[in-house]
Amino acid sequence: DTAVSQTPKYLVTQMGNDKSIKCEQNLGHDTMYWYKQDSKKFLKIMFSYNNKELIINETVPNRFSPKSPDKAHLNLHINSLELGDSAVYFCASSQDFRGTGSTFGSGTRLTVV
Amino acid sequence: TQLLEQSPQFLSIQEGENLTVYCNSSSVFSSLQWYRQEPGEGPVLLVTVVTGGEVKKLKRLTFQFGDARKDSSLHITAAQPGDTGLYLCAGARTGFQKLVFGTGTRLLVSP
Repeated sequence: DTAVSQTPKYLVTQMGNDKSIKCEQNLGHDTMYWYKQDSKKFLKIMFSYNNKELIINETVPNRFSPKSPDKAHLNLHINSLELGDSAVYFCASSQDFRGTGSTFGSGTRLTVV
Repeated sequence: TQLLEQSPQFLSIQEGENLTVYCNSSSVFSSLQWYRQEPGEGPVLLVTVVTGGEVKKLKRLTFQFGDARKDSSLHITAAQPGDTGLYLCAGARTGFQKLVFGTGTRLLVSP
């Protein structure tokens, strides 16, 4: 059983399109996150949710909209995709709200052409 | 300038060599974690250190948290090709509800 699963693994799309990435965790964790990893492998938090409530929104363009229907799911919708959105997006979860001991999904490689 | 700077950025060594990766900051952290990430996968937690001066061992890997809780190191003894990957430190600070990740160290161990 995969602890944190995100889909799709790869996403290639044209500029201007809207796309969604889904994430589910079966660890019973209270907090879920979206991270963006750039081409230099730097990992930066985008959003965090604790029990379906938005805790962190890290200066992310409002084209990015997270949604948490329940504490086991955190989806990411991106409107009007731009070339600069190309990156690997990771979902993660942790028991505490600071991310200690986070478990990560295997990532979604988004390529905008 | 990143909050957590790792050095070196890239390390290419032969199997059997020893190495140390450093994670430095001017800020104090309540805990510090080390992750390893392999290509096409997400980071996997290796260890969490919480006490200044703490040393933890995981087989051939030794992790140390600085006395002032501003830095950490990862030492690998007798590196093996399976140790190849991206090593990331990440810190949690009191009053902040998020992890801050280091700049990463790419390790390549050749047979």
